Amino acid sequence: DTAVSQTPKYLVTQMGNDKSIKCEQNLGHDTMYWYKQDSKKFLKIMFSYNNKELIINETVPNRFSPKSPDKAHLNLHINSLELGDSAVYFCASSRTGAWNEQFFGPGTRLTVL
Amino acid sequence: GQQVMQIPQYQHVQEGEDFTTYCNSSTTLSNIQWYKQRPGGHPVFLIQLVKSGEVKKQKRLTFQFGEAKKNSSLHITATQTTDVGTYFCALFGNEKLTFGTGTRLTIIP
Repeated sequence: DTAVSQTPKYLVTQMGNDKSIKCEQNLGHDTMYWYKQDSKKFLKIMFSYNNKELIINETVPNRFSPKSPDKAHLNLHINSLELGDSAVYFCASSRTGAWNEQFFGPGTRLTVL
Repeated sequence: GQQVMQIPQYQHVQEGEDFTTYCNSSTTLSNIQWYKQRPGGHPVFLIQLVKSGEVKKQKRLTFQFGEAKKNSSLHITATQTTDVGTYFCALFGNEKLTFGTGTRLTIIP
């Protein structure tokens, strides 16, 4: 049973397009996150949600819009994709509070051409 | 924001040799976590350290939290090919985890 799942695993698209990545966790966690990992492997928090409420928005361009329909899902929509958006995007979840162990999804590799 | 330096950035070792990665913060930490990411994989939680001077062991892995709670280390004894990957420390502060720059370990069989 997959604890944190993401779809799609790979996403190749043209500059200027809009795309979404979906994330679901079946761990019963209250807190979910989106991270971006660039080509140098730097892993950076983008957003965190607790019980569908936005907690962290780490100065991410407003082309990125997270949506949490319920506490088991956190989706990421990206408008007007740019070359610099190419990266691996990881969803993660934890019990309430970022100090708890975080469980990561398998990642979505986004390539913008 | 928090500066989280990890050294070294890369480490190549012969199988059976020991390996250590260090994590340094510019601020005092409430806790620190360590994660491992295999090539092509996702970060996986290894451990959390909370107390000043704390030492925890997991088989061949030894984790240490500095007395001043500003640094931490991960030591692997007698590396095996399964230890290959990138090791990240992650510091909690301001309601989020800030990940270190990572140390990429490769093993020469």
